[in-house]
Amino acid sequence: AQSVTQLDSHVSVSEGTPVLLRCNYSSSYSPSLFWYVQHPNKGLQLLLKYTSAATLVKGINGFEAEFKKSETSFHLTKPSAHMSDAAEYFCVVRGWVGNDMRFGAGTRLTVKP
Amino acid sequence: ETGVTQSPTHLIKTRGQQVTLRCSSQSGHNTVSWYQQALGQGPQFIFQYYREEENGRGNFPPRFSGLQFPNYSSELNVNALELDDSALYLCASSSQRGTSTDTQYFGPGTRLTVL
Repeated sequence: AQSVTQLDSHVSVSEGTPVLLRCNYSSSYSPSLFWYVQHPNKGLQLLLKYTSAATLVKGINGFEAEFKKSETSFHLTKPSAHMSDAAEYFCVVRGWVGNDMRFGAGTRLTVKP
Repeated sequence: ETGVTQSPTHLIKTRGQQVTLRCSSQSGHNTVSWYQQALGQGPQFIFQYYREEENGRGNFPPRFSGLQFPNYSSELNVNALELDDSALYLCASSSQRGTSTDTQYFGPGTRLTVL
């Protein structure tokens, strides 16, 4: 069965400093992995997805993630945080067959001025 | 291109009542999935509809049911509401049912409060 674990429930950074949100996955198959962001009182917005092409995936708003099979990780990074990045971030895994997207518990990102 | 829309935005019900939530899928999408997001948690998959047929179901009881219409819009019905049903209900649409590259686009959600 596939699952994800987000290693930090809350991350706090200063504006202009790097962001690292950690995600480990478990999957019986070659997984598809996603990062979504949820701003307060808003729906989920897709940041980026990995589907077995390039292991370094670039997304919107300067975010990127690297798929590391040996470490079963898919960490989300951004070189320089902006105040507007403050939100809840979810790592999601899908299996090769099926329609069940499994969400992590989420990481709340706080950006300090 | 119109995104995924949901109605109503907020809803308050009492225990034992029934509720219907609605979702309009993004233009060109034929698959709709529903998720329940309890406060402080990640979304949990309820079920998915593809061309008016249920295409998969998560670990939710039968009192959670759904419909998909010919225009691919969808309803989520919950009978005999319980306090634990209080949550944000999210609808997502996509165009590549069940494939590994299926990307789901989410609506803003309906906040249901059960008193």
